[in-house]
Amino acid sequence: EPEVTQTPSHQVTQMGQEVILRCVPISNHLYFYWYRQILGQKVEFLVSFYNNEISEKSEIFDDQFSVERPDGSNFTLKIRSTKLEDSAMYFCASRPGLALVGNNEQFFGPGTRLTVL
Amino acid sequence: GENVEQHPSTLSVQEGDSAVIKCTYSDSASNYFPWYKQELGKRPQLIIDIRSNVGEKKDQRIAVTLNKTAKHFSLHITETQPEDSAVYFCAASSISNFGNEKLTFGTGTRLTIIP
Repeated sequence: EPEVTQTPSHQVTQMGQEVILRCVPISNHLYFYWYRQILGQKVEFLVSFYNNEISEKSEIFDDQFSVERPDGSNFTLKIRSTKLEDSAMYFCASRPGLALVGNNEQFFGPGTRLTVL
Repeated sequence: GENVEQHPSTLSVQEGDSAVIKCTYSDSASNYFPWYKQELGKRPQLIIDIRSNVGEKKDQRIAVTLNKTAKHFSLHITETQPEDSAVYFCAASSISNFGNEKLTFGTGTRLTIIP
């Protein structure tokens, strides 16, 4: 069964450094998402992406964050200048197609644990 | 925006007994309510979902009920087994034909099944 994959599984960085988290969504999916989960807390929406552009973003997703789908298979999240509070598990998710025909499920990747020192 | 509350935060039940987890939501436009199971260190995985035109849905030992008027929905697990031990998250979203909907998650319930 196809799965969303993410690399790296764990990223350690110094405060102020740039990080890029990579995701490969399921190949025929059209909608892509990033979520984060601070240790012991709930999963929080960051951004959704469709047709090569951001369709919605949360208050967390400020100017330090950006997303890109550079080559039709990868979907990346960049944090330009990391802060201590960016330490979290970052999940990528993808969804097949139009929701009203039943393709509602968002499939989550295994996550990247980001640790900012 | 949407706000989802989830209770209880922890739940311990004897193996074989039933477990019930409850969620409320605030946005009346929400019409899709999935439940995710997350084992330690793993990704969230969908276990069941319900759309707002349905009041109840069942899949083997798992069922979800939805009360749109009261804006609450519940997960019911019967005949619990040790492998049901995990954190369970409810979520809500509003889906549309241009569906790029985000999921708003509850705070999670740590379910422990006591053998």
